[in-house]
Amino acid sequence: GQNIDQPTEMTATEGAIVQINCTYQTSGFNGLFWYQQHAGEAPTFLSYNVLDGLEEKGRFSSFLSRSKGYSYLLLKELQMKDSASYLCAVRDKNYGQNFVFGPGTRLSVLP
Amino acid sequence: DADVTQTPRNRITKTGKRIMLECSQTKGHDRMYWYRQDPGLGLRLIYYSFDVKDINKGEISDGYSVSRQAQAKFSLSLESAIPNQTALYFCATSVLGRGGYEQYFGPGTRLTVT
Repeated sequence: GQNIDQPTEMTATEGAIVQINCTYQTSGFNGLFWYQQHAGEAPTFLSYNVLDGLEEKGRFSSFLSRSKGYSYLLLKELQMKDSASYLCAVRDKNYGQNFVFGPGTRLSVLP
Repeated sequence: DADVTQTPRNRITKTGKRIMLECSQTKGHDRMYWYRQDPGLGLRLIYYSFDVKDINKGEISDGYSVSRQAQAKFSLSLESAIPNQTALYFCATSVLGRGGYEQYFGPGTRLTVT
């Protein structure tokens, strides 16, 4: 089966940097995705990693280590609007190439 | 106009009632999905469809059924609603792009079963 873990909640200060970790276990790994979800709204795509290393997109970066089953999302220069849940999802060959989502990490950015 | 729309956005119904949630998309994507989201459990896949003639069960299909009426429409039915089906339901579409099979989500339907 698939198991994805993320911290439940995190708090950080405006202007700071925060790292949200995600660990997964599957033999059918075929890509890792990060989504942002504001309360009561739909998830929106942030980043995608299929090879090891760092992908940078403006203030957001995502890192993947397939051998360790580990990813992180790095948010720099935090803004109040970054307060949201961050969902880690793995695309899994053993699951019909569908996505398996982690429980999400709720980030609160304080002034 | 939104690319993925869901109706209704909110619904309160009683135990035992039949209810249908509808999803439409203008993105032209072949793949469509229904998820439910519960606090602390993340998004879980109910059903998915890779084209009009292809319907597949997801992780938690019991108590649900779907219909893919056209490439653009994918409906989710609860034949006899029960309180533990109270959740936020999302429809999504996907297509192969730069971001792999990135998923595009509708705005969600908040369903309450009393």
